[in-house]
Amino acid sequence: GQQLNQSPQSMFIQEGEDVSMNCTSSSIFNTWLWYKQDPGEGPVLLIALYKAGELTSNGRLTAQFGITRKDSFLNISASIPSDVGIYFCAGQGINAGNMLTFGGGTRLMVKP
Amino acid sequence: DADVTQTPRNRITKTGKRIMLECSQTKGHDRMYWYRQDPGLGLRLIYYSFDVKDINKGEISDGYSVSRQAQAKFSLSLESAIPNQTALYFCATSWAETDTQYFGPGTRLTVL
Repeated sequence: GQQLNQSPQSMFIQEGEDVSMNCTSSSIFNTWLWYKQDPGEGPVLLIALYKAGELTSNGRLTAQFGITRKDSFLNISASIPSDVGIYFCAGQGINAGNMLTFGGGTRLMVKP
Repeated sequence: DADVTQTPRNRITKTGKRIMLECSQTKGHDRMYWYRQDPGLGLRLIYYSFDVKDINKGEISDGYSVSRQAQAKFSLSLESAIPNQTALYFCATSWAETDTQYFGPGTRLTVL
């Protein structure tokens, strides 16, 4: 099946720092989604990207759909303690209906 | 009130036991999904359903079965639980027209 490589696997940063994480695929995707999972909860959608090259922001979060349609990145600016959690990318392939393939997640830890 | 609920939230069972995990939604979505989450592996799709009586295998369906009893309910069964089925299980829902999946809070299952 399709594989999504998400990096880094974990990050430990100081409050106020910017964060960047990315996902790459061997296959083309039609849609890229970024989710955040808080401890003990299910993933919550942060940003959805539908067109190659699209750059979308949601508050301090910015995500881009790569031109090749095989990658995406998520940036978080001026991190705060509540940014702690696991961030997942997910891609939907061309002929996969509504099926999503998830990356392995990036665990973010923020030191106050 | 939560739109996607899962019961139980935690369950410990023994090898060989049959167990059922329940998912209910009040969002009116037609599509429902069951995922399994293991550390470092992201979420992997077990089964999905586009409508009542529609059942489709996902990436890792072996050892599991599902039932879509009504549009709002989708249950996951482990006929004979084994220790490597210890994981977090998430239910998700979506409209047919969009790619946005909404997740429940998860069920933590431990098989001894």
